[in-house]
Amino acid sequence: GESVGLHLPTLSVQEGDNSIINCAYSNSASDYFIWYKQESGKGPQFIIDIRSNMDKRQGQRVTVLLNKTVKHLSLQIAATQPGDSAVYFCAERGYNFNKFYFGSGTKLNVKP
Amino acid sequence: DAGVTQSPTHLIKTRGQHVTLRCSPISGHKSVSWYQQVLGQGPQFIFQYYEKEERGRGNFPDRFSARQFPNYSSELNVNALLLGDSALYLCASSKGLAGGDEQYFGPGTRLTVT
Repeated sequence: GESVGLHLPTLSVQEGDNSIINCAYSNSASDYFIWYKQESGKGPQFIIDIRSNMDKRQGQRVTVLLNKTVKHLSLQIAATQPGDSAVYFCAERGYNFNKFYFGSGTKLNVKP
Repeated sequence: DAGVTQSPTHLIKTRGQHVTLRCSPISGHKSVSWYQQVLGQGPQFIFQYYEKEERGRGNFPDRFSARQFPNYSSELNVNALLLGDSALYLCASSKGLAGGDEQYFGPGTRLTVT
């Protein structure tokens, strides 16, 4: 089955710096990816998505990059703020379009 | 607009009991998916329902079942509860079945099995 993993379980950054969270996926047929933010005690919050026919997509302070050659996804957060502290998950839509597969998450700690 | 809502927020059950969790999708969304999230891990897909039919099933035992109602709300049922069923159960809704639709999650139901 699909496998979505993250390179770093915990990332600490200084407030105001840029953050980069990485994600690897194993299924080259996956065609759609979502980044979620999950704060303690809450459900995952949609941040940004990207389809496999794109290699970059920008939102407000966030950018997602997709490298299909090496099956790698990254989330860049500009000017990281204390409110960005959370666990971030990448989710990969499975080949049958009906399932999303999640990695184990990266915890982002923003130091004031 | 209201987001995805789930009830109850928290639940404590004993091994062997049965539990029913409920979810109401965002207005206009016809697809509901259920996920189990064990502490420290990412959500694991359980079911997807669209137009009241099961459209996807994850690797969970038959003790887990679900259904979707005409108003697109959904219930997740778990029979013969085990200690390992303790988790956060998440419901997510999207407009359609696939097609790159964004999927939005509810706050979850925290189930503790003792």
